Amino acid sequence: AQSVTQLDSHVSVSEGTPVLLRCNYSSSYSPSLFWYVQHPNKGLQLLLKYTSAATLVKGINGFEAEFKKSETSFHLTKPSAHMSDAAEYFCAYNNAGNMLTFGGGTRLMVKP
Amino acid sequence: DTGVSQDPRHKITKRGQNVTFRCDPISEHNRLYWYRQTLGQGPEFLTYFQNEAQLEKSRLLSDRFSAERPKGSFSTLEIQRTEQGDSAMYLCASSADRRVDTQYFGPGTRLTVL
Repeated sequence: AQSVTQLDSHVSVSEGTPVLLRCNYSSSYSPSLFWYVQHPNKGLQLLLKYTSAATLVKGINGFEAEFKKSETSFHLTKPSAHMSDAAEYFCAYNNAGNMLTFGGGTRLMVKP
Repeated sequence: DTGVSQDPRHKITKRGQNVTFRCDPISEHNRLYWYRQTLGQGPEFLTYFQNEAQLEKSRLLSDRFSAERPKGSFSTLEIQRTEQGDSAMYLCASSADRRVDTQYFGPGTRLTVL
């Protein structure tokens, strides 16, 4: 079965320190992969996407993610966390179908 | 603002009542999607339209749920005889008509069934 697993339900970092949010996928195909962010009571905003071009993808707000086929991973990173980064983050994939399959989400908390 | 819009943003209803939500996609997007998100979970796919045709439905979409997209523009999602388990955020997204394209999400409609 195809699925997306976000390995941490909660991540807490101090402001100014690096962020790592982990995502693994299971798919028989080469998927397109996405990271979305959701602030409280808001919809999802696209951070970045991978669609079989460069394996290192840069997104908005200083986030980037690296597609590693051998590890079936698509982890999200940011060199220095900001208080405004506190939110829920979702990894998702589209295997050329017409729907996104989402992971369970990772809540990022940023301490001052 | 030319993003995806949804109305209403919040809906509180009593069990057994019918509710209808509206989604207006980005104007040049042919594809429209509905997802449901319960508390603490990722969104789950409900259904998908290409223009006015409903092409895919999840098994989550019970017979109490119906979605339409007349004239291929806005879409409505109706839930009949609501149950407490229907309480969730209902998200709409749209994308261009390409093989795999980014889906842009609206702010969602939060439904609370008492």
